[in-house]
Amino acid sequence: KAGVTQTPRYLIKTRGQQVTLSCSPISGHRSVSWYQQTPGQGLQFLFEYFSETQRNKGNFPGRFSGRQFSNSRSEMNVSTLELGDSALYLCASSFLTTGEQFFGPGTRLTVL
Amino acid sequence: GQNIDQPTEMTATEGAIVQINCTYQTSGFNGLFWYQQHAGEAPTFLSYNVLDGLEEKGRFSSFLSRSKGYSYLLLKELQMKDSASYLCAASDSNYQLIWGAGTKLIIKP
Repeated sequence: KAGVTQTPRYLIKTRGQQVTLSCSPISGHRSVSWYQQTPGQGLQFLFEYFSETQRNKGNFPGRFSGRQFSNSRSEMNVSTLELGDSALYLCASSFLTTGEQFFGPGTRLTVL
Repeated sequence: GQNIDQPTEMTATEGAIVQINCTYQTSGFNGLFWYQQHAGEAPTFLSYNVLDGLEEKGRFSSFLSRSKGYSYLLLKELQMKDSASYLCAASDSNYQLIWGAGTKLIIKP
C-alpha cells in the first residue's frame, strides 16, 4: 500500500506570494490533517478534513485555507506569505478521525 | 486551555533504559499517542493508550494515568538508532490531537 504523498517536497517563495500544497492520503483513508512544524514549536494543528468537510480547525489566520476532494486528496493554500510561514508542512491521513495518523514526508516551505 | 508538557531534551547511554514523561491538560480526553520522529523525516506511530496502565510493545512501553494527566514512554536496551525526537499527543473531546513540542533523545555510545 502506498504511503501518504506530498507535493512539492521543497518550495521557495517570497513575501506576499501565495502557495498551494498537495497531499494524497493512503488509499481508503478519508481523514486528512495538516500541521505546521517549526523548530522548538512542535506540531501545530492547521485543520482536518473528513469526507470533503472541514471537521476541525486550529488557531491560524484566515490566510491559511484548505479543501478536500471527493477522492480524499487534500490541498492547503497560504495567501500573502509572511517570513514566519517558513516551516515544514506535514499532512497526515487516517482511516477514521479517531485513529492512528500516518504522516507524509512534508513540504518544506521557505519564505524569503 | 489545552497543554502538553514534555522535556525538551534527554541524553542516555546505549544499552540503557530511558523514560520520557508527558503531562497533559485537555478538554475531554480520548487517548494518548506517542510518535517517533527522526531528523528530517516524518513522525511515525509508536503507541496509543486510552486506559490506565502499561502497554508493552517490544523494547518500547507506554504508560497512562488518566487521573494524573500523565504518560510516559519507556525505551529499553537503547540503540543508536533510537536517537530521535519523541512526540506526545493527547486526543481531546473532539478527537483533535494536541501535540507536545517533542523530546529530543540523544544516545551516546
